[in-house]
Amino acid sequence: QVQLQQSGTELVKPASSVKISCKASGYTFTSNYMHWIRQQPGNGLEWIGWIYPGNGNTKYNQKFDGKATLTADKSSSTAYMQLSSLTSEDSAVYFCAKSFAYWGQGTLVTVSS
Amino acid sequence: DIQMTQSPSFLSATVGDRVTINCKASQNINKYLNWYQQKLGEAPKRLIYNTNSLQTGIPSRFSGSGSGTDYTLTISSLQPEDVATYFCLQHNSGPYTFGAGTKLELK
Repeated sequence: QVQLQQSGTELVKPASSVKISCKASGYTFTSNYMHWIRQQPGNGLEWIGWIYPGNGNTKYNQKFDGKATLTADKSSSTAYMQLSSLTSEDSAVYFCAKSFAYWGQGTLVTVSS
Repeated sequence: DIQMTQSPSFLSATVGDRVTINCKASQNINKYLNWYQQKLGEAPKRLIYNTNSLQTGIPSRFSGSGSGTDYTLTISSLQPEDVATYFCLQHNSGPYTFGAGTKLELK
């Protein structure tokens, strides 16, 4: 069965970066889009972008251009999202989702000094 | 960007009730509309994709309908385990956008 296992909770300092992982299993990793989504209390859900692991192509929500960088490692079937220049407004739960059908359990990122 | 207006934001209903939740898109989304259920502390679970296709393993009391800009999720007979937040997603054109959510509780 499809499983997406995300990395654990992150507590990071303002102006730093963080890299979240999403390890996929149970399907052909290279043949499916992986989306990343942000969920903030009171702000709902926002689509960050997608990566197609087969060729590394990416597309971003313009709002997250320069903030998020999506990559994928075919050898380990793992997708990554790096968030840079973090501020308190980046504090949220971040999800990966295969073709919007199956979602990881979420990674809580808290930005605080 | 396509805006998704979801209503109601909060819903209180009794076991056995028929429940409907609506999403209205700011432009035609060609039936590229999914519905999700999210319980507290859990990942969202897809219930319906492309307006009316039931995800494998989801009970048949859940159904979806709509076209153009107007879409509806229906729970035909509410069960206690349906207490959750529900939201829609349009994946017709980027940036993909979500409804704000409907919190469903038991009366």
